Amino acid sequence: QKEVEQDPGPLSVPEGAIVSLNCTYSNSAFQYFMWYRQYSRKGPELLMYTYSSGNKEDGRFTAQVDKSSKYISLFIRDSQPSDSATYLCAMSPSAAYSGAGSYQLTFGKGTKLSVIP
Amino acid sequence: NAGVTQTPKFRILKIGQSMTLQCTQDMNHNYMYWYRQDPGMGLKLIYYSVGAGITDKGEVPNGYNVSRSTTEDFPLRLELAAPSQTSVYFCASRPGTSGSSYEQYFGPGTRLTVT
Repeated sequence: QKEVEQDPGPLSVPEGAIVSLNCTYSNSAFQYFMWYRQYSRKGPELLMYTYSSGNKEDGRFTAQVDKSSKYISLFIRDSQPSDSATYLCAMSPSAAYSGAGSYQLTFGKGTKLSVIP
Repeated sequence: NAGVTQTPKFRILKIGQSMTLQCTQDMNHNYMYWYRQDPGMGLKLIYYSVGAGITDKGEVPNGYNVSRSTTEDFPLRLELAAPSQTSVYFCASRPGTSGSSYEQYFGPGTRLTVT
């Protein structure tokens, strides 16, 4: 089983739809959970960041972490064509667990999202 | 601030050739990383550095070398290019242990083709 599983899609939705993106993971040591957005031919940029379990909301975006199920989600409300991108989940264990503090991230494969006007 | 810059943007190499991918950051970040991204495969860590003079292997280091003589620069060296190294290469950096997150700041990438 891979450490982080993410459905690569592609996912195509109409403008205004609610989008749900998900990742599952197997490493119980992961404490930090991130969603990166990557536009075509660009580098990834951080979209949302959550520590441990719970929800975090930022405008139209909501990140959820369920550590008991080892499952994280990103919800996009009122999706816009400008949201069309690849969304990568990323995770990291705590600094204490990673020893030298390399703060390495383990990424999912990314889900390609297209929002159709 | 320019952030993380990478050169070149594109490169075509012949099998067996060598090259250096350049990465520079102007944010005074301690941690720097090199990733490769193959289509549909996410980001794989090649090498990382926790500060000048300190580097370590990531998940896929074979065929690559790095050095970190300054805080700003973290070049990635390919000694004998192989078709399996065709990929998009991203450099990233992050601050030290203080700060609010594990956010890594990515460069724009270098697209490398080996034929």
